[in-house]
Amino acid sequence: QKEVEQNSGPLSVPEGAIASLNCTYSDRGSQSFFWYRQYSGKSPELIMFIYSNGDKEDGRFTAQLNKASQYVSLLIRDSQPSDSATYLCAVGGDSNYQLIWGAGTKLIIKP
Amino acid sequence: GAVVSQHPSRVICKSGTSVKIECRSLDFQATTMFWYRQFPKQSLMLMATSNEGSKATYEQGVEKDKFLINHASLTLSTLTVTSAHPEDSSFYICSAPLAGDEQFFGPGTRLTVL
Repeated sequence: QKEVEQNSGPLSVPEGAIASLNCTYSDRGSQSFFWYRQYSGKSPELIMFIYSNGDKEDGRFTAQLNKASQYVSLLIRDSQPSDSATYLCAVGGDSNYQLIWGAGTKLIIKP
Repeated sequence: GAVVSQHPSRVICKSGTSVKIECRSLDFQATTMFWYRQFPKQSLMLMATSNEGSKATYEQGVEKDKFLINHASLTLSTLTVTSAHPEDSSFYICSAPLAGDEQFFGPGTRLTVL
């Protein structure tokens, strides 16, 4: 059974600080890793994807992948109240495009 | 990013009726689409994989006769909730992969069965 684990939170971070979200996965053969943001009552929105070990930066967001340790993380710099949402980690690798989803971490940015 | 639409965005129906939800990829073709269900404060649950021109693949525990999926074209998949009951009330979301595994989600359909 392939699994993706996330701390459900809530994770509370002061405005302007760095929010760090973590995710571990069980299938060592996984090839692709995604972070989605989901606001309450809305559908998930793709924020970042990463395929290779190391860091990938996009604006205030940085995704970090460590395949040896089987974890992927998302850093949000200069956190804003609008970043408050549930962040879903998803892992792919099968040829049928199916993703394995974590349960999500609720992030609260306090003004 | 790619655009996926869903219709309707919200539906309220009486118990026993059937409800059809459409999912369209607007600017790309999708041979595969996914249907998810999400109950309040819970995580996404994959219901089924919709395959263009062939039968859908259902996840364990999802009744294929209750949740009918049709993927008649490269841009349209439909989910029909047959004989809906209050316990089927949920947020139904479709997604489609654009390139590789990147999935783009529709805005979702909130179903309320009275």
